[in-house]
Formats: sequence, C-alpha cells, structure tokens
Amino acid sequence: AQSVAQPEDQVNVAEGNPLTVKCTYSVSGNPYLFWYVQYPNRGLQFLLKYITGDNLVKGSYGFEAEFNKSQTSFHLKKPSALVSDSALYFCAVRAPYSSASKIIFGSGTRLSIRP
Amino acid sequence: NAGVTQTPKFQVLKTGQSMTLQCAQDMNHNSMYWYRQDPGMGLRLIYYSASEGTTDKGEVPNGYNVSRLNKREFSLRLESAAPSQTSVYFCASTRTGQAYEQYFGPGTRLTVT
Repeated sequence: AQSVAQPEDQVNVAEGNPLTVKCTYSVSGNPYLFWYVQYPNRGLQFLLKYITGDNLVKGSYGFEAEFNKSQTSFHLKKPSALVSDSALYFCAVRAPYSSASKIIFGSGTRLSIRP
Repeated sequence: NAGVTQTPKFQVLKTGQSMTLQCAQDMNHNSMYWYRQDPGMGLRLIYYSASEGTTDKGEVPNGYNVSRLNKREFSLRLESAAPSQTSVYFCASTRTGQAYEQYFGPGTRLTVT
C-alpha cells in the first residue's frame, strides 16, 4: 500500500541555521514526490517536486529536497532558515500510473524558526 | 488569474442542516479535488473529479456529495451536517497526469454545533 510518513510533528530551528524536515514514503515503482507549505489560514502552496533525474531538487523560497531511493526518503532542506519560513509543511507521494485519487499526504510538520 | 477560489470562507451550521461549498478554478485544469484537514491527520480526500462529467469517492466520502458542474466548478454538499464534519475544507485542482502539482483554494472553515 502507498503511504508517506513525516516522523516529526514539530521542528524548531534558530534563524540562520540549516533546517531539515523529514519525509519517508512507501510506494511501488518510482514515485512522484511533492512538498507543500501551508501558512496560517491559507491553502497549501506547492514548493517543489521530484519526478525523475537529479536527486537534488530545488524549489521556491530557497528550499531544496533530496530524493534517496535506497532510504525511500525525500527530506526538505534549506541552508539558512528565516523566521518567515515558519509554517506547516506537507510531503505528498503519488505512484506512477496511479489514478487521480492516489495522492497521499503526510500528517504535516510544523516548522518554527526562532529569531 | 484568481487560481482556485472557494466560498464561503467560514460557516457555522447546526446539526442536521445542509449546505453547499463552492469551488471554482480558472486554470483550465481537468482534475479537481475536495479534502478535509483535521489536526494531526493531514489532508484526507473526500471526493475527486478526474475530468468534467466524472466524480469518484476518496478516502472519507460518507456524509458528502459532489457535483462537477462544468470544467471550472466543483461543489461539495453536506446533506445533513454532523459535528464530526467540523473541519477545514480545501478544494484543489491539477492538470491531467501524475507529475503535476495541485493548486489549492484558501479553504472553508466549517463548524457544526
């Protein structure tokens, strides 16, 4: 069965430090992987995706994510955190050749950046 | 280009009342979705429409119905609201194909008392 896990409910980082938000997945075949961000009282916004090719994917707002097939992970990273990065982050996975319904979201990780 | 719009933004219902949540997108997307978001549970798919004229159940369809009115609009109806349906509801749309990201509306915060 297809699944995605975000093992940390909350991640706390000091401004200027690097940040990592973890995501692991389980899917048959080569997955399509996505990260979304949700600011308070807003809908989810797309950050980046991995479809194929280079394992390091760059996205919006200076975020990047590394696809690791052997560890079935797709961790979100940023070299230097900003207070404005504080938000709720969701990882999502979709299996290849799957129906339109088969987009699975993680439970979310709340990122808090302290000044 | 407004993206995905939803109305209303907030709604309070009494148990047993009915209402329809409206969603529209102006990006010419084929697929549209309704999710609910509850604390600690991420997003759960209620219904989706892969293309105009088709709708299918998602993970949590009980208590809801949908209508894909045309390519732009996808509405969600609660026929007899229950407190368990208190949630934030998001509509999303995407282009056809597995590789495309979803675009989300701003959400409707529904409270059922």
